[in-house]
Amino acid sequence: AQKITQTQPGMFVQEKEAVTLDCTYDTSDQSYGLFWYKQPSSGEMIFLIYQGSYDEQNATEGRYSLNFQKARKSANLVISASQLGDSAMYFCAMRGRGPNDYKLSFGAGTTVTVRA
Amino acid sequence: DTGVSQDPRHKITKRGQNVTFRCDPISEHNRLYWYRQTLGQGPEFLTYFQNEAQLEKSRLLSDRFSAERPKGSFSTLEIQRTEQGDSAMYLCASSLDNYEQYFGPGTRLTVT
Repeated sequence: AQKITQTQPGMFVQEKEAVTLDCTYDTSDQSYGLFWYKQPSSGEMIFLIYQGSYDEQNATEGRYSLNFQKARKSANLVISASQLGDSAMYFCAMRGRGPNDYKLSFGAGTTVTVRA
Repeated sequence: DTGVSQDPRHKITKRGQNVTFRCDPISEHNRLYWYRQTLGQGPEFLTYFQNEAQLEKSRLLSDRFSAERPKGSFSTLEIQRTEQGDSAMYLCASSLDNYEQYFGPGTRLTVT
């Protein structure tokens, strides 16, 4: 079984500043993948970034970076230079990497509000 | 390259009625997933198709729920005899094999 914990229900950040969203996970799988999705008020889940458990370097995608600490079982998302359009709900998710692992397990999410 | 589409975007129905939702995945994606999301929570897995074969149904999917993916293209999710507890956002996602899942905009169901 896999479990994702996001302890921050809501966060405020000033425009142009960085924000870190916490994510811890629990799994018995040796190989797994970690994902972050953004969900604006429109409802669509937008894939942001992926980190494999055996990847040696932290993943980065533009203004998004994933601070992966395997020993601590954490996969925090860092959004740099926040923009007003970053206001949304953010979900951390994971799944195994075996051929029969396909279900994503999601955390409860963190709402980010960017202030001008 | 169009993304995942879902229809309708919103559905209001009375308790006891049947509803059907449609999902059109990204065209080359062989895998299709349905998730349900209630207010303030993350999505929960409902069911999964590889091509036209439904390979897993979650325990969340009672006998009132049925999903199909004829010909391995679009998929439908039907809920019979809707209950107020069925009110949620129903999300469809697709992927090419085990790569990233891309989600549609969801269908928001309200049962009155």
